[in-house]
Amino acid sequence: DIQMTQSPSSLSASVGDRVTITCRASQSISSYLNWYQQKPGKAPKLLIYAASSLQSGVPSRFSGSGSGTDFTLTISSLQPEDFATYYCQQSYSTPGFGPGTKVDIK
Amino acid sequence: EVQLVESGGGLVQPGRSLRLSCAASGFTFDDYAMHWVRQAPGKGLEWVSGISWNSGSIGYADSVKGRFTISRDNAKNSLYLQMNSLRAEDTALYYCAKDLGPLLRQRGGFDYWGQGTLVTVSS
Repeated sequence: DIQMTQSPSSLSASVGDRVTITCRASQSISSYLNWYQQKPGKAPKLLIYAASSLQSGVPSRFSGSGSGTDFTLTISSLQPEDFATYYCQQSYSTPGFGPGTKVDIK
Repeated sequence: EVQLVESGGGLVQPGRSLRLSCAASGFTFDDYAMHWVRQAPGKGLEWVSGISWNSGSIGYADSVKGRFTISRDNAKNSLYLQMNSLRAEDTALYYCAKDLGPLLRQRGGFDYWGQGTLVTVSS
């Protein structure tokens, strides 16, 4: 099975900050990598699919990059509504999620 | 408007069975793969099972293989998860999720999710 790791596991940031979250796969997954945002008590929301494609309706401050084993989610200017937990997910083989990165207010 | 509504959760004793259902509307159900994803209280997301558009390809997490069975009825726009031999570690909120495409392994994620149905396994 492909293992997914994320770093950091949590971070504190301020509104307006540039935030970067990293996801690493235990083997190459090409660009079969997706990013989700989840707020407490809510279902996850797809942000980025195929490593860098922005899902319809998602603000352009979110972007994704990477291929192979190393991927990045970037929020260019953190907004109040962006405080949440972010998960990466690979769809190259049996789907699997990373452990999550919690973004909270500094 | 796309809607996914899960049902069938509840409190069940270890070793017993439960069947979850997901009613889909607002899109052409038989054009897309579908998945079950669960989240234990206070924990992260765990993919449980997925099924391609025509049921030709099915996958399970190792943690549920041999105990859970996924199925779909395209005529009824419905997804199911038959859960047997339930364990305490199966306690979670179970989400139904729609894939971006028809297949299980493809460049795409899960673009719509239900609100989940809670399964609690306890004596």
